[in-house]
Amino acid sequence: QVQLQESGPGLVKPSQTLSLTCTVSGDSISSGRYYWSWIRQPAGKGLERIGRIHTSGSTTYNPSLKSRVTISVDTSKNQFCLKVNSVTAADTAVYYCAVGLGDFGNWFDPWGQGTLVTVSS
Amino acid sequence: QSALTQPRSVSGSPGQSVTLSCTGTSSDVGNYNYVSWYQLHPGKAPKLLIYDVTKRPSGVPDRFSGSKSGNTASLTISGLQAEDEADYYCCSYAGNFHVVFGGGTKLTVL
Repeated sequence: QVQLQESGPGLVKPSQTLSLTCTVSGDSISSGRYYWSWIRQPAGKGLERIGRIHTSGSTTYNPSLKSRVTISVDTSKNQFCLKVNSVTAADTAVYYCAVGLGDFGNWFDPWGQGTLVTVSS
Repeated sequence: QSALTQPRSVSGSPGQSVTLSCTGTSSDVGNYNYVSWYQLHPGKAPKLLIYDVTKRPSGVPDRFSGSKSGNTASLTISGLQAEDEADYYCCSYAGNFHVVFGGGTKLTVL
């Protein structure tokens, strides 16, 4: 079955760009069956979906983050990536990648273990 | 999109049943049968418990069940066990390929 693993810097300076990668194993990211999603959880707060991409290239971003976020797919490496520009302390969170399923990619299974990203100088 | 409303905490004794609520609006929970529930243990990957309001993935015990009435979805855990102590989050489709999560409920097994 599909397995996911997040990777990337654990510390990012304010105003810089947060970049994370999710490596997919167990299936091809090009299979077209899934919506590849990023979800985050700030400390002490609830979950928030950042956005998702289908291998068709179709993307959906959370309106509150849309101006700063890019999600892309690297089919050669079987990975998908997240970039968040102009980060602030409010972007400090555990970031998860997940497979979106259902008619609209509206439920998520499986998830990666998550990676903590701290925004601090 | 506003977050779905979940009680901050719920508790129960082993063997009991508890019900966790998730309240949204007519634009999300009330308009679509696309509510899912997740269990989060610290340091572990979140686990899908319920999708499409009532459906249970293979491997999830039938102690976990989901339902919905109007703008409120519910997750019921029967035969509460110590390992059920975790944070639980609901999620609903909200149209235009968007989803919204709840603020989470911390379940304590007494």
